[in-house]
Amino acid sequence: EDKVVQSPLSLVVHEGDTVTLNCSYEVTNFRSLLWYKQEKKAPTFLFMLTSSGIEKKSGRLSSILDKKELFSILNITATQTGDSAIYLCAVTSGSRLTFGEGTQLTVNP
Amino acid sequence: EAGVAQSPRYKIIEKRQSVAFWCNPISGHATLYWYQQILGQGPKLLIQFQNNGVVDDSQLPKDRFSAERLKGVDSTLKIQPAKLEDSAVYLCASSLFRYRVGTEAFFGQGTRLTVV
Repeated sequence: EDKVVQSPLSLVVHEGDTVTLNCSYEVTNFRSLLWYKQEKKAPTFLFMLTSSGIEKKSGRLSSILDKKELFSILNITATQTGDSAIYLCAVTSGSRLTFGEGTQLTVNP
Repeated sequence: EAGVAQSPRYKIIEKRQSVAFWCNPISGHATLYWYQQILGQGPKLLIQFQNNGVVDDSQLPKDRFSAERLKGVDSTLKIQPAKLEDSAVYLCASSLFRYRVGTEAFFGQGTRLTVV
């Protein structure tokens, strides 16, 4: 059975802090790893990673994949209160997209 | 570009009642997914369609849940009869392809179901 594990499950930081969210996976027929941000209901797409060692970057967010060690990290620098959300990691294997439990990030002013 | 549309946004029903959710995917997206997200958990795939055919329904509780996508566009998900543990957000997503490399899924706003 495909498995995606995220850590930590929750995190509380102050504005300006840098955070690192982790995602490890065990799947057959890996195709890609995706990060989503979920603020209220709909997850919104952040990154798709398919190759090891190539950093994807968007503003203060960046992510990298290690296909040998089967994990990915999502970094957020200079956090803002608007970054408060659940961050979901998902892995595509075959035709299925499997999600982790998510990391609840709270950024306090 | 219009996003994935879902309705209703909220629904409260009593246990043993029936409920139906509707989803209209992004135009041209052949793949449609229904996910169940219980509070504090990640989304769990219930069913995946490719056009109007089912490609994965292994986690769908078929004794009470059903879904269809008759014309390969809109889809409905039904629960009959509902149980208390069905309280969750039901998310619909669509993508151009069946998760081949380079394709991401886009999500609708979801339907929050409360079973009392």
